[in-house]
Amino acid sequence: SQLAEENSWALSVHEGESVTVNCSYKTSITALQWYRQKSGKGPAQLILIRSNEREKRNGRLRATLDTSSQSSSLSITATRCEDTAVYFCATDAVYQGGRALIFGTGTTVSVSP
Amino acid sequence: NAGVIQTPRHKVTGKGQEATLWCEPISGHSAVFWYRQTIVQGLEFLTYFRNQAPIDDSGMPKERFSAQMPNQSHSTLKIQSTQPQDSAVYLCASSSDNYAEQFFGPGTRLTVL
Repeated sequence: SQLAEENSWALSVHEGESVTVNCSYKTSITALQWYRQKSGKGPAQLILIRSNEREKRNGRLRATLDTSSQSSSLSITATRCEDTAVYFCATDAVYQGGRALIFGTGTTVSVSP
Repeated sequence: NAGVIQTPRHKVTGKGQEATLWCEPISGHSAVFWYRQTIVQGLEFLTYFRNQAPIDDSGMPKERFSAQMPNQSHSTLKIQSTQPQDSAVYLCASSSDNYAEQFFGPGTRLTVL
Protein backbone atom coordinates (compact mmCIF):
# COMPACT_ATOMS: atom_id res chain seq x y z
CA SER A 1 0.00 0.00 0.00
CA GLN A 2 1.12 3.55 -0.65
CA LEU A 3 2.67 5.26 2.36
CA ALA A 4 2.01 8.61 0.72
CA GLU A 5 -0.55 9.53 -1.85
CA GLU A 6 -2.00 12.57 -3.52
CA ASN A 7 -5.75 12.86 -3.48
CA SER A 8 -6.37 13.76 -7.11
CA TRP A 9 -5.08 12.21 -10.30
CA ALA A 10 -5.31 15.39 -12.35
CA LEU A 11 -6.22 19.03 -12.02
CA SER A 12 -6.72 21.60 -14.77
CA VAL A 13 -6.61 25.37 -14.33
CA HIS A 14 -6.19 28.46 -16.45
CA GLU A 15 -3.18 30.72 -16.20
CA GLY A 16 -3.42 33.09 -13.29
CA GLU A 17 -5.68 30.85 -11.25
CA SER A 18 -4.63 29.03 -8.08
CA VAL A 19 -4.45 25.29 -7.65
CA THR A 20 -4.03 23.07 -4.61
CA VAL A 21 -2.70 19.53 -4.52
CA ASN A 22 -3.44 17.48 -1.43
CA CYS A 23 -1.49 14.59 0.01
CA SER A 24 -2.09 12.09 2.78
CA TYR A 25 0.49 9.81 4.35
CA LYS A 26 0.41 6.83 6.66
CA THR A 27 3.59 6.86 8.73
CA SER A 28 5.18 9.17 11.25
CA ILE A 29 7.60 11.46 9.47
CA THR A 30 10.44 13.83 10.17
CA ALA A 31 9.75 15.79 7.00
CA LEU A 32 7.57 15.86 3.93
CA GLN A 33 8.81 17.07 0.58
CA TRP A 34 7.00 18.27 -2.51
CA TYR A 35 8.55 17.51 -5.87
CA ARG A 36 7.62 18.52 -9.39
CA GLN A 37 8.40 16.45 -12.46
CA LYS A 38 8.18 17.89 -15.94
CA SER A 39 7.97 15.70 -19.00
CA GLY A 40 11.26 13.94 -19.75
CA LYS A 41 12.95 15.19 -16.60
CA GLY A 42 13.64 13.82 -13.14
CA PRO A 43 11.72 15.17 -10.15
CA ALA A 44 12.88 18.45 -8.67
CA GLN A 45 12.28 19.47 -5.08
CA LEU A 46 9.98 22.42 -4.49
CA ILE A 47 9.55 22.56 -0.72
CA LEU A 48 10.68 20.56 2.30
CA ILE A 49 8.49 21.00 5.36
CA ARG A 50 9.58 19.48 8.66
CA SER A 51 7.21 17.79 11.09
CA ASN A 52 7.42 20.70 13.53
CA GLU A 53 6.43 23.20 10.85
CA ARG A 54 2.86 23.98 9.84
CA GLU A 55 3.49 26.10 6.76
CA LYS A 56 6.34 26.81 4.36
CA ARG A 57 6.47 29.19 1.44
CA ASN A 58 8.65 29.39 -1.64
CA GLY A 59 7.66 32.20 -3.98
CA ARG A 60 4.26 31.32 -5.43
CA LEU A 61 4.23 28.00 -3.62
CA ARG A 62 2.81 27.37 -0.18
CA ALA A 63 2.93 24.03 1.60
CA THR A 64 1.04 23.13 4.74
CA LEU A 65 1.46 20.16 7.02
CA ASP A 66 -1.03 18.74 9.51
CA THR A 67 0.60 15.91 11.42
CA SER A 68 -2.57 15.16 13.38
CA SER A 69 -4.46 14.26 10.21
CA GLN A 70 -1.30 13.12 8.40
CA SER A 71 -1.98 15.38 5.47
CA SER A 72 -0.26 18.09 3.50
CA SER A 73 -1.18 20.49 0.75
CA LEU A 74 0.72 22.39 -1.89
CA SER A 75 -0.85 25.54 -3.29
CA ILE A 76 0.36 27.37 -6.35
CA THR A 77 -0.88 30.91 -6.89
CA ALA A 78 -0.86 32.91 -10.12
CA THR A 79 -0.23 29.75 -12.12
CA ARG A 80 1.73 29.84 -15.36
CA CYS A 81 1.81 27.43 -18.28
CA GLU A 82 5.26 26.32 -17.17
CA ASP A 83 3.75 25.03 -13.90
CA THR A 84 2.28 22.17 -15.96
CA ALA A 85 3.83 19.05 -14.44
CA VAL A 86 3.25 16.08 -12.17
CA TYR A 87 3.41 17.01 -8.49
CA PHE A 88 4.46 14.45 -5.90
CA CYS A 89 4.55 14.47 -2.16
CA ALA A 90 7.29 12.35 -0.65
CA THR A 91 7.93 11.23 2.87
CA ASP A 92 11.20 10.05 4.30
CA ALA A 93 11.57 6.40 5.16
CA VAL A 94 14.29 5.22 7.45
CA TYR A 95 16.09 2.18 6.13
CA GLN A 96 18.70 0.92 8.52
CA GLY A 97 19.79 4.40 9.42
CA GLY A 98 19.56 5.74 5.91
CA ARG A 99 16.78 7.69 4.33
CA ALA A 100 15.08 7.14 1.04
CA LEU A 101 11.97 8.85 -0.23
CA ILE A 102 8.58 7.22 -0.50
CA PHE A 103 6.70 9.03 -3.27
CA GLY A 104 2.98 9.41 -3.70
CA THR A 105 1.34 8.51 -6.98
CA GLY A 106 1.44 12.07 -8.25
CA THR A 107 -1.09 14.64 -9.40
CA THR A 108 -0.91 15.97 -12.94
CA VAL A 109 -1.51 19.70 -13.00
CA SER A 110 -2.28 21.21 -16.39
CA VAL A 111 -2.22 24.97 -16.79
CA SER A 112 -3.73 26.30 -19.98
CA PRO A 113 -3.48 29.83 -21.41
CA ASN B 1 27.47 22.08 -12.03
CA ALA B 2 26.02 19.67 -14.56
CA GLY B 3 23.72 18.01 -12.06
CA VAL B 4 23.27 14.27 -11.84
CA ILE B 5 24.25 12.61 -15.10
CA GLN B 6 22.68 9.37 -16.25
CA THR B 7 23.72 7.36 -19.28
CA PRO B 8 22.39 6.16 -21.56
CA ARG B 9 19.18 8.17 -21.76
CA HIS B 10 17.47 5.38 -23.64
CA LYS B 11 18.29 1.69 -23.83
CA VAL B 12 16.52 -1.07 -25.70
CA THR B 13 17.33 -4.68 -24.91
CA GLY B 14 15.97 -8.01 -25.97
CA LYS B 15 14.45 -10.33 -23.42
CA GLY B 16 17.20 -12.18 -21.58
CA GLN B 17 19.93 -9.66 -22.30
CA GLU B 18 21.84 -7.66 -19.71
CA ALA B 19 21.48 -3.93 -19.15
CA THR B 20 23.89 -1.67 -17.27
CA LEU B 21 22.82 1.81 -16.32
CA TRP B 22 25.26 4.50 -15.21
CA CYS B 23 24.91 7.39 -12.81
CA GLU B 24 27.34 10.18 -12.02
CA PRO B 25 26.24 11.99 -8.85
CA ILE B 26 26.85 15.64 -8.13
CA SER B 27 30.44 16.12 -6.98
CA GLY B 28 30.69 16.18 -3.21
CA HIS B 29 27.37 14.44 -2.57
CA SER B 30 27.72 11.51 -0.21
CA ALA B 31 24.40 9.76 -0.81
CA VAL B 32 23.25 8.11 -4.04
CA PHE B 33 19.79 6.66 -4.57
CA TRP B 34 18.25 4.58 -7.36
CA TYR B 35 14.51 4.65 -8.11
CA ARG B 36 12.33 3.05 -10.76
CA GLN B 37 9.34 4.79 -12.30
CA THR B 38 6.46 3.15 -14.17
CA ILE B 39 2.93 4.24 -14.93
CA VAL B 40 1.49 1.42 -12.85
CA GLN B 41 3.78 1.44 -9.80
CA GLY B 42 4.85 5.08 -9.82
CA LEU B 43 8.20 6.01 -8.27
CA GLU B 44 9.72 3.13 -6.31
CA PHE B 45 12.86 3.17 -4.20
CA LEU B 46 15.39 0.53 -5.21
CA THR B 47 18.66 1.02 -3.36
CA TYR B 48 20.84 3.56 -1.59
CA PHE B 49 24.57 4.21 -1.02
CA ARG B 50 26.19 6.47 1.49
CA ASN B 51 29.89 7.28 1.10
CA GLN B 52 29.99 4.47 -1.51
CA ALA B 53 28.80 1.86 0.99
CA PRO B 54 25.51 0.07 0.29
CA ILE B 55 23.07 1.03 3.02
CA ASP B 56 19.92 -0.70 1.93
CA ASP B 57 18.70 -2.55 -1.12
CA SER B 58 15.31 -3.55 0.21
CA GLY B 59 13.58 -2.22 -2.89
CA MET B 60 15.67 -4.23 -5.32
CA PRO B 61 14.24 -7.33 -6.98
CA LYS B 62 16.63 -9.87 -5.52
CA GLU B 63 17.40 -12.23 -8.33
CA ARG B 64 18.49 -10.16 -11.32
CA PHE B 65 19.21 -6.66 -10.05
CA SER B 66 22.46 -5.45 -8.56
CA ALA B 67 23.96 -2.05 -7.88
CA GLN B 68 27.49 -0.93 -7.19
CA MET B 69 29.34 2.24 -6.38
CA PRO B 70 33.03 1.54 -7.05
CA ASN B 71 34.06 5.16 -6.51
CA GLN B 72 32.51 8.44 -5.44
CA SER B 73 32.02 9.59 -9.01
CA HIS B 74 29.73 6.88 -10.34
CA SER B 75 27.26 4.17 -9.56
CA THR B 76 25.90 1.41 -11.77
CA LEU B 77 22.65 -0.51 -11.78
CA LYS B 78 22.87 -3.84 -13.56
CA ILE B 79 19.90 -5.93 -14.62
CA GLN B 80 20.65 -9.45 -15.76
CA SER B 81 18.36 -11.46 -18.00
CA THR B 82 16.05 -8.51 -18.58
CA GLN B 83 12.32 -9.15 -18.77
CA PRO B 84 9.56 -7.01 -20.34
CA GLN B 85 8.33 -6.08 -16.85
CA ASP B 86 11.70 -4.40 -16.21
CA SER B 87 10.76 -1.73 -18.74
CA ALA B 88 10.71 1.54 -16.84
CA VAL B 89 12.51 4.81 -16.31
CA TYR B 90 15.37 4.31 -13.87
CA LEU B 91 16.21 7.43 -11.90
CA CYS B 92 19.35 8.18 -9.96
CA ALA B 93 19.47 10.88 -7.29
CA SER B 94 22.18 12.25 -5.05
CA SER B 95 22.16 14.35 -1.93
CA SER B 96 24.72 16.01 0.31
CA ASP B 97 23.60 13.95 3.29
CA ASN B 98 20.83 11.65 4.41
CA TYR B 99 18.37 14.36 5.26
CA ALA B 100 18.85 16.83 2.45
CA GLU B 101 17.12 17.51 -0.82
CA GLN B 102 17.65 14.81 -3.41
CA PHE B 103 18.76 15.94 -6.86
CA PHE B 104 17.54 13.68 -9.61
CA GLY B 105 19.05 12.91 -12.96
CA PRO B 106 16.93 12.82 -16.12
CA GLY B 107 16.60 9.06 -15.95
CA THR B 108 17.33 6.16 -18.28
CA ARG B 109 14.34 4.77 -20.15
CA LEU B 110 14.80 1.02 -20.45
CA THR B 111 12.66 -0.85 -22.95
CA VAL B 112 12.81 -4.64 -22.95
CA LEU B 113 11.37 -6.19 -26.09
